Amino acid sequence: GEDVEQSLFLSVREGDSSVINCTYTDSSSTYLYWYKQEPGAGLQLLTYIFSNMDMKQDQRLTVLLNKKDKHLSLRIADTQTGDSAIYFCAEKPSRTNAGKSTFGDGTTLTVKP
Amino acid sequence: EADIYQTPRYLVIGTGKKITLECSQTMGHDKMYWYQQDPGMELHLIHYSYGVNSTEKGDLSSESTVSRIRTEHFPLTLESARPSHTSQYLCASSGGTRQLFFGEGSRLTVL
Repeated sequence: GEDVEQSLFLSVREGDSSVINCTYTDSSSTYLYWYKQEPGAGLQLLTYIFSNMDMKQDQRLTVLLNKKDKHLSLRIADTQTGDSAIYFCAEKPSRTNAGKSTFGDGTTLTVKP
Repeated sequence: EADIYQTPRYLVIGTGKKITLECSQTMGHDKMYWYQQDPGMELHLIHYSYGVNSTEKGDLSSESTVSRIRTEHFPLTLESARPSHTSQYLCASSGGTRQLFFGEGSRLTVL
């Protein structure tokens, strides 16, 4: 079955860049997502990328996709303490119309002042 | 502004009680989902629905049941709660764009 893997923890200093990595196994993935979850809250969609794109930039967020290696990364520039949260990578294959997504385990980002 | 709502946000109950977690969305989405998020932070799909009167079990086996009598509502029920059911339950919906919209979650604690 489909699998999505992420490193579990990342710690950076305020003002530095954060890079959160994700790998997936389903080569038919069409949509790849990054969600943010703050403590006690639901998931918030941060950004997404289509599988025919290599890069997408949205303000401080840059998503890079290496489709050959099935590797996705999220870079947060000028990381702030408010960016501390859990970040989930998710993929949705094109071969199903069910809309089900496969999620990674989440990367806990800690931003130190 | 949230268009998908879950109630209650927090619930603490005793073993053996019946509980229903409510989920409502105002976006007219056909597809709705329930995810369970264990303390270890993994997210698992337990139920989904393609539309009214359609429900399917997800990847993670769950003792809960769901119903979809109306497009807007997708309640999840536990007939007899146990401590092993302690978790966070996240409801989501999606429309034609395939993007998932999540509720704030219902954090259940069974004593």
